[in-house]
Amino acid sequence: DIVLTQSPGTLSLSPGERATLSCRASRALVSNYLAWYQQKPGQAPRLLIFGASNRAAGIPERFSGSGSGTDFTLTITRLEPEDFAVYYCHQYGSSPQVTFGGGTKVEIK
Amino acid sequence: QVHLVESGGGVVQPGGSLRLSCAASGFTLTDFGMNWVRQAPGKGLEWVTFLRYDGKNQYFADSVKGRFTVSRDASKNTVFLQMSGLTAEDTAVYYCAKEGVSGGGLWPRHLDSWGQGTLVTVSS
Repeated sequence: DIVLTQSPGTLSLSPGERATLSCRASRALVSNYLAWYQQKPGQAPRLLIFGASNRAAGIPERFSGSGSGTDFTLTITRLEPEDFAVYYCHQYGSSPQVTFGGGTKVEIK
Repeated sequence: QVHLVESGGGVVQPGGSLRLSCAASGFTLTDFGMNWVRQAPGKGLEWVTFLRYDGKNQYFADSVKGRFTVSRDASKNTVFLQMSGLTAEDTAVYYCAKEGVSGGGLWPRHLDSWGQGTLVTVSS
């Protein structure tokens, strides 16, 4: 199975700052099938990015995804108060086995 | 508008069984693959199972293989997760999630809609 390693585990930033989250795969992903989700306490995850760089419907432009092969990045250009949450990466589409990364918590500094 | 509502969670003894339901609206189950994803208390997300849009293929995480089955009732637009041989390690919030591509390929795709989840607690 493909293992996804997210870093850092926790990111402490202030509103207005730029957030850069990393997701590294144990082997190259087919067709860059990598998604990012945001999860707030007590809520279900929400899809942000799919296919490594495609924003899901209704997602603000400050969220962007990039990367290919084994290294992927989620960037939030200017953090809004509602962006403080946990973010998960997710690889799919290349086998029956699907995996999620361990998550990165973006907290208010 | 897509809406997913899970039900059937609760407290069950080790070794017991439970069936979860996921009622879908705003789309047709026969057009989209469906997944179950779980989250143990304070932990990350773990994919559990995928039922392909045509209902002909289903895949499971190794941690539940042989104990869980997934099915659907197209007439009720509902997906089911039948769980048996439950252990404390199965304690989690269980989410159903719709794949983001209609008539998707062989394998699970990204998940564009999620239910609110239902809590399963395995305890004596």
